[in-house]
Amino acid sequence: DGGITQSPKYLFRKEGQNVTLSCEQNLNHDAMYWYRQDPGQGLRLIYYSQIVNDFQKGDIAEGYSVSREKKESFPLTVTSAQKNPTAFYLCASSIPGQGYNEQFFGPGTRLTVL
Amino acid sequence: AQSVSQHNHHVILSEAASLELGCNYSYGGTVNLFWYVQYPGQHLQLLLKYFSGDPLVKGIKGFEAEFIKSKFSFNLRKPSVQWSDTAEYFCAAGITGSARQLTFGSGTQLTVLP
Repeated sequence: DGGITQSPKYLFRKEGQNVTLSCEQNLNHDAMYWYRQDPGQGLRLIYYSQIVNDFQKGDIAEGYSVSREKKESFPLTVTSAQKNPTAFYLCASSIPGQGYNEQFFGPGTRLTVL
Repeated sequence: AQSVSQHNHHVILSEAASLELGCNYSYGGTVNLFWYVQYPGQHLQLLLKYFSGDPLVKGIKGFEAEFIKSKFSFNLRKPSVQWSDTAEYFCAAGITGSARQLTFGSGTQLTVLP
C-alpha cells in the first residue's frame, strides 16, 4: 500500500539533545512537508520541500533542520536550540496538481522532552 | 497574512443531532479549501475539498461543506452525527499555484455522546 510512514511513533529526549524524526513516502510525490501540532493551535508549517536537494523554511523553522537527499525521504532534526520541542509532529506530501494544496499525512511522531 | 479561523474549539452533540462547524478564511485571491479529520489515534485524513465549481461539496461519511465566497466561509455540515464522528476537525486553505503550504485553523474537537 502506498503511504507515508513516520518513525518512531513516540520519542523521548533529554534537554540539550538533538533528535531526528523520520518521514518516508512511497507515493512518488514531489513535495513534502513538516508540521507541528499543538493543542488549540492547529498545524503550523516548519519546513517544506518541493524537489530533491531543495527546501524552504515555514512559519516556525527556528530550532529545526531538514534534508532532502532522496525524493522518498524528508527527515526532520529537532535541535537543542528549539525552546519548546514537546509536540506532535506530522509529515505530509503532495503532488503539483491544484498547486500542491491537497496533502496526505503520515501518522505522526509524538516528541516529549524530559 | 493569510489566516483560517474556526469558531468553535469544542462541540458536544448527542447522536442524531445536526452538525455545523464554522470556518472563515482571509485571502484576497483564489483559494482551495479543505476539511481534514483526525480520529483518535489515526492519521489526519481528507474529509472533503473545494477547488472550483459547485460551491456545495460532498465528502466522505455523509459530510458536506458550502463555499460562500461573499462571506469567506467554508462551513462543514452533517445532518445527523454518529458516535463514530467523534474526532478533531481542521479547516485549511491554500492559494492556488502556491507550493508553499496550507494554512490550518486551530481545530474543533467534536464529541458525540451515544
